[in-house]
Amino acid sequence: EDKVVQSPLSLVVHEGDTVTLNCSYEVTNFRSLLWYKQEKKAPTFLFMLTSSGIEKKSGRLSSILDKKELSSILNITATQTGDSAIYLCASSEGAQKLVFGQGTRLTINP
Amino acid sequence: SAVISQKPSRDICQRGTSLTIQCQVDSQVTMMFWYRQQPGQSLTLIATANQGSEATYESGFVIDKFPISRPNLTFSTLTVSNMSPEDSSIYLCSLGTGGSGYTFGSGTRLTVV
Repeated sequence: EDKVVQSPLSLVVHEGDTVTLNCSYEVTNFRSLLWYKQEKKAPTFLFMLTSSGIEKKSGRLSSILDKKELSSILNITATQTGDSAIYLCASSEGAQKLVFGQGTRLTINP
Repeated sequence: SAVISQKPSRDICQRGTSLTIQCQVDSQVTMMFWYRQQPGQSLTLIATANQGSEATYESGFVIDKFPISRPNLTFSTLTVSNMSPEDSSIYLCSLGTGGSGYTFGSGTRLTVV
């Protein structure tokens, strides 16, 4: 059975800290690894990773995929209170459906 | 990337009734997906909807409980039938859009009382 596991499940840090969120996957017919930010209902797309070792960056956020280790990390530097959210990792497989991890609830305290 | 309009945004329903959720896409797409997010949980795929064929349901979800329609390439509905409080969740439609990620609708927050 396809599985995506995230860690930690919950993280509380102070504004300005750097955080690293982890995601591991076991998916047959793997196509890509995606990261989303969820604040209310709909997840907001952050990154899609298909190639190992190539970092993707968007402002203070960055992510990289390690296909050998079947894992990915999401880094957020100089965190702000607006970064508080649930961060979801998902893996897409051959039929394009997504398998989601449990999510990491990130809280940034001022 | 494609834009999805999902309705209703939220609803409070009596147990035993049914609710139909609609998703309208501004372009033609082959595959649409329906997800459920129960309180405190992550997203779980309910079914994949292709135009012109029966939806494909994931383990634990059945057509009688979650009938899906896909009358054309821009529209789909999910009905939550004979609701119970355990159906209280966020329901999301989604489509695979390649390099721009898998776009989600705005979500429907359902509360069953």
